[in-house]
Amino acid sequence: GENVEQHPSTLSVQEGDSAVIKCTYSDSASNYFPWYKQELGKRPQLIIDIRSNVGEKKDQRIAVTLNKTAKHFSLHITETQPEDSAVYFCAASPEGGNKLTFGTGTQLKVEL
Amino acid sequence: NAGVMQNPRHLVRRRGQEARLRCSPMKGHSHVYWYRQLPEEGLKFMVYLQKENIIDESGMPKERFSAEFPKEGPSILRIQQVVRGDSAAYFCASSPLGTGVYNEQFFGPGTRLTVL
Repeated sequence: GENVEQHPSTLSVQEGDSAVIKCTYSDSASNYFPWYKQELGKRPQLIIDIRSNVGEKKDQRIAVTLNKTAKHFSLHITETQPEDSAVYFCAASPEGGNKLTFGTGTQLKVEL
Repeated sequence: NAGVMQNPRHLVRRRGQEARLRCSPMKGHSHVYWYRQLPEEGLKFMVYLQKENIIDESGMPKERFSAEFPKEGPSILRIQQVVRGDSAAYFCASSPLGTGVYNEQFFGPGTRLTVL
């Protein structure tokens, strides 16, 4: 089955700096890669996703890149703000969005 | 359009009791997924259901756990004879489309199960 590894497990940045979270996956059949943000005690919320036919996608301060050859994808957050503080999860799916396999999460802390 | 609904939000059970977790998908969604999140860990897939069908239960423990999504009413995740290791947050997600089509999964607020 699919295995997703995520790094780092914790990340502290100063407000205004950039944050990068990296994930690798094992199943070459995976073709859908969403990123979820989860605040303490809340539900995971999709912030951006990328399909395997695209190498990069951007939405305002958030961008995701995908390298299919190396089987890794990354989340980039620019101009970080305190409200970006949360746990971020990457995920992969070989079936276009079903049975998501999640990474172990990255606790992002944006300090003033 | 109401989001994915789950109830109860918090559930306390003693060892050996049964736990029933309910999930109502978003309006128009006919695909439901259950995930379990242990403290300080990521979400683990448990089961994927469509109305009256279990599509993929590869993440479900072999014993004590079962899930259904009847023609009418919410999806139910049932845990029999709960043990302390079942304590976790159980999230339900729904999507409008199915296998082979890219589609976002929308998560409910979760049910936090505590086994005493």
